[in-house]
Amino acid sequence: GAVVSQHPSWVICKSGTSVKIECRSLDFQATTMFWYRQFPKQSLMLMATSNEGSKATYEQGVEKDKFLINHASLTLSTLTVTSAHPEDSSFYICSARGDSDYNEQFFGPGTRLTVL
Amino acid sequence: GQNIDQPTEMTATEGAIVQINCTYQTSGFNGLFWYQQHAGEAPTFLSYNVLDGLEEKGRFSSFLSRSKGYSYLLLKELQMKDSASYLCAVLDSNYQLIWGAGTKLIIKP
Repeated sequence: GAVVSQHPSWVICKSGTSVKIECRSLDFQATTMFWYRQFPKQSLMLMATSNEGSKATYEQGVEKDKFLINHASLTLSTLTVTSAHPEDSSFYICSARGDSDYNEQFFGPGTRLTVL
Repeated sequence: GQNIDQPTEMTATEGAIVQINCTYQTSGFNGLFWYQQHAGEAPTFLSYNVLDGLEEKGRFSSFLSRSKGYSYLLLKELQMKDSASYLCAVLDSNYQLIWGAGTKLIIKP
């Protein structure tokens, strides 16, 4: 089946630093990648949708200058949390969609970000 | 607006059967997904329905009625490892996934 990797699995950083999270589709070409954030005991919240080679589309309320998304190739998307603050601490999950018959999204394992 | 409703929490007994319901109101419909998510992990795909009826896959089955905007996930022969959150998600007319808040399923011995 389709595999999506995410790196790092967890990261702890100081307030004010920037953190980059990578999302890779390992055995298929992802035309679209999605970035989600999930707070404890809450559902997934879509942050942005990115298509390879074009600018990401951000959901309402998500600051695009704070959460920089780059989808430079069909197998790699990165999310950079700039000037992270404790309130940015969350579980960040990426998913990738290929060209399957029913547009299934394949999820990465997630990245646990803790900002001190 | 777009809305997906599912119960917040359910409890069932090991070996029993449980049905998790999901109702939706979305702008367009291109299919409904069920995902399982264990605590601290990413969601994993369980099922996809785009036509009315029941799809069976081992111990898990998923049902869809498009006219009623309704789906359910049926879990049989419950095992302790089935304790997780179950997320219902609908693919709308823009092929955007609209997520429910998830149902936390607690399995008791």
